[in-house]
Amino acid sequence: DVKVTQSSRYLVKRTGEKVFLECVQDMDHENMFWYRQDPGLGLRLIYFSYDVKMKEKGDIPEGYSVSREKKERFSLILESASTNQTSMYLCASSLAVANYGYTFGSGTRLTVV
Amino acid sequence: AQSVTQLGSHVSVSEGALVLLRCNYSSSVPPYLFWYVQYPNQGLQLLLKYTTGATLVKGINGFEAEFKKSETSFHLTKPSAHMSDAAEYFCAVSDRGSTLGRLYFGRGTQLTVWP
Repeated sequence: DVKVTQSSRYLVKRTGEKVFLECVQDMDHENMFWYRQDPGLGLRLIYFSYDVKMKEKGDIPEGYSVSREKKERFSLILESASTNQTSMYLCASSLAVANYGYTFGSGTRLTVV
Repeated sequence: AQSVTQLGSHVSVSEGALVLLRCNYSSSVPPYLFWYVQYPNQGLQLLLKYTTGATLVKGINGFEAEFKKSETSFHLTKPSAHMSDAAEYFCAVSDRGSTLGRLYFGRGTQLTVWP
């Protein structure tokens, strides 16, 4: 069964810590995406990548960075975690065609205290 | 950028009743259309999608959606709700011809099913 795997389901970090959220897909997909999900705001795109070592800012990139050193892995980095980054983080991957849609990971619920 | 509107952030129905979740998009060129479902503390799962051909699309768990170009809509329906349908539902679109395949999501509709 094809999968997008996020390394942690629940994470608690302290303010100011550097946080790494990892995402791995086994479908040889070109595109990978990071979203955050907050009640009433839906899914908001943080960053995406359409190839190894390539990255593009989404709608809310501030306070985040990403890394894609290998095709199957896309990491989201919170350089200095803040309480307003407490959220559900969702990773997704897709083929490089518009009619495929996404395959999502199970999400990481991050709490910053 | 695409815009997707889901009318009603919360919808409540009784078990056995019709489910209707509304979705409208803004593009003048009909996009590809998707519905996803999210159960508590999980990621999103594809319910169904419309890309071309028949405008009535059937998906998993008895759901279906109809693409209506004249109304720029892609409403999701299920004839008879089940308790297990309680979840959050997201409508999404992507631009035809795009090689990125980025999806633009609505804000979601929380479906509650009463016994």
